[in-house]
Amino acid sequence: NAGVTQTPKFQVLKTGQSMTLQCAQDMNHEYMSWYRQDPGMGLRLIHYSVGAGITDQGEVPNGYNVSRSTTEDFPLRLLSAAPSQTSVYFCASSYSAPGRAEIAKNIQYFGAGTRLSVL
Amino acid sequence: QKEVEQDPGPLSVPEGAIVSLNCTYSNSAFQYFMWYRQYSRKGPELLMYTYSSGNKEDGRFTAQVDKSSKYISLFIRDSQPSDSATYLCAMKAGTASKLTFGTGTRLQVTL
Repeated sequence: NAGVTQTPKFQVLKTGQSMTLQCAQDMNHEYMSWYRQDPGMGLRLIHYSVGAGITDQGEVPNGYNVSRSTTEDFPLRLLSAAPSQTSVYFCASSYSAPGRAEIAKNIQYFGAGTRLSVL
Repeated sequence: QKEVEQDPGPLSVPEGAIVSLNCTYSNSAFQYFMWYRQYSRKGPELLMYTYSSGNKEDGRFTAQVDKSSKYISLFIRDSQPSDSATYLCAMKAGTASKLTFGTGTRLQVTL
């Protein structure tokens, strides 16, 4: 079991460039989410998905797109990178299937993160 | 005002000390409370979780929730240098999908 895998680990972009941050999990988790972590701001939710084909916005969705075509993958796209998007990005996943204990939803497993700098 | 407030630290303690980490929150709908530990340049990992009020103990770690005061705590007994990390509290309401995180407290345990 690899858990949650994020690629790349580091990336430097120029303002206006686009890119996709990859996230994959092999735990058959329904719920996946993207966070950004900035000093003094904690983890802020960007987008999340409760299953394949279903996505929704989090707290800070502007400038980011997501899609969920499979259970395993949840890529995050930066459409036109801006310096304000310089951050560490984390992908997380958890169970959320009906019938499982509610408490299981809370055990979110995080990837190792992608450090992004936008110049 | 943020929904979850957490002192960022840093908090420096000698090895063997008892550490107390705290968060306050304003949303009375929060029912699930968690503590994540994050080592430098790593992703957060779940350390403890509790439902509603009360205490939960796991080895050297005790999580405490006081819903009447909207206050949660994590106690670390016999702290070790390996406990040096950032500790994030997180919480959610019963029907919500998302977690709301505190900003994290950086802890350093010195020899």
